[in-house]
Amino acid sequence: GQNIDQPTEMTATEGAIVQINCTYQTSGFNGLFWYQQHAGEAPTFLSYNVLDGLEEKGRFSSFLSRSKGYSYLLLKELQMKDSASYLCAVRAGGSYIPTFGRGTSLIVHP
Amino acid sequence: SAVISQKPSRDICQRGTSLTIQCQVDSQVTMMFWYRQQPGQSLTLIATANQGSEATYESGFVIDKFPISRPNLTFSTLTVSNMSPEDSSIYLCSVGTGDGEQYFGPGTRLTVT
Repeated sequence: GQNIDQPTEMTATEGAIVQINCTYQTSGFNGLFWYQQHAGEAPTFLSYNVLDGLEEKGRFSSFLSRSKGYSYLLLKELQMKDSASYLCAVRAGGSYIPTFGRGTSLIVHP
Repeated sequence: SAVISQKPSRDICQRGTSLTIQCQVDSQVTMMFWYRQQPGQSLTLIATANQGSEATYESGFVIDKFPISRPNLTFSTLTVSNMSPEDSSIYLCSVGTGDGEQYFGPGTRLTVT
């Protein structure tokens, strides 16, 4: 099976930068996803990393280190609307289907 | 990416009844999935909807309780049968694209009374 670990909750200030970490233990790693989910809504795709390194998309960046079993999602210039749950999901073992972590609830305050 | 719609968006149903949820995608996709997300929990995969054959169910989910149809590459249905309050959840359709990405529909919020 897979073990995916991310912090339960984080708080940050509007305008600041926050880094949400995700560590995983798996065999046959084949990709890592980040999703944003606002309360009562469906998850929204943010990023998909297969190779090591940093991928930037506007205010959001995602980093992957396969050798360390580690990823992070970096959110810059935080806005109140960024308050949401952020889900890390790992695809591994030849399966197309990712396993989801429990999510990190991010609270952005003024 | 893919644009996914689900119907209904929400429903309140009585114990013992069944509800069929529809998922429509704006393009042909090979992979379609059904997930459940109970309050405060992460996503749990119910099954993979296979076009032209029976769905592949995850451990803990059975066809009699969650029958799934997938008549073509853009459409699928999930039925929640003989509902109980424990089935109250958000049900999400998801699709996988050719480049490995995976997207979710808006979800169906089900409350069973």
